[in-house]
Amino acid sequence: KNQVEQSPQSLIILEGKNCTLQCNYTVSPFSNLRWYKQDTGRGPVSLTIMTFSENTKSNGRYTATLDADTKQSSLHITASQLSDSASYICVVGPASNDYKLSFGAGTTVTVRA
Amino acid sequence: DAGITQSPRHKVTETGTPVTLRCHQTENHRYMYWYRQDPGHGLRLIHYSYGVKDTDKGEVSDGYSVSRSKTEDFLLTLESATSSQTSVYFCAISWDGGTGELFFGEGSRLTVL
Repeated sequence: KNQVEQSPQSLIILEGKNCTLQCNYTVSPFSNLRWYKQDTGRGPVSLTIMTFSENTKSNGRYTATLDADTKQSSLHITASQLSDSASYICVVGPASNDYKLSFGAGTTVTVRA
Repeated sequence: DAGITQSPRHKVTETGTPVTLRCHQTENHRYMYWYRQDPGHGLRLIHYSYGVKDTDKGEVSDGYSVSRSKTEDFLLTLESATSSQTSVYFCAISWDGGTGELFFGEGSRLTVL
């Protein structure tokens, strides 16, 4: 069973609008939680990395939040642009073996003009 | 962009043939990984390396072998390709196997007929 579940599986938004992606995980204990952006046909690129003690981290129009108590994270995209169309992947790093990250299946975001 | 080159980028082969994918880095990072990405699944770790000649299995290592004779090169070999190994393969590197950022290559799309 996947230890990282993302929702929704996909969404479509209009350019300029905001959206929020969800990530629920069961990995415990964990050392860090990451969000990656993957453009079609490309490799994933890191957006944010948060340790278990951080609540929020921003990267431009991307803001990630983390609630370690409820084991939930979210990625908020502000004022979306066409270039935000991509898959967004939530990744959790376990404290016991940091080599073996747990990846969510991703949320596909499509931004329409 | 991190200096990671995967080759070949696309390959079509037949069941039972051997296949080798190459990952080359120019960043001198200690840790290298091979992942596969399939629709509906998160990225899954095949094998990883924590130094020259030091490798270990990931969660989906059956049917795959790896070698790392130099810091910059990490080879993934399918001894006898099967249709279930049709996938997109990603190489990744990090300087720190723990909380270090993970940099991905552009991927190698393998089709086994």
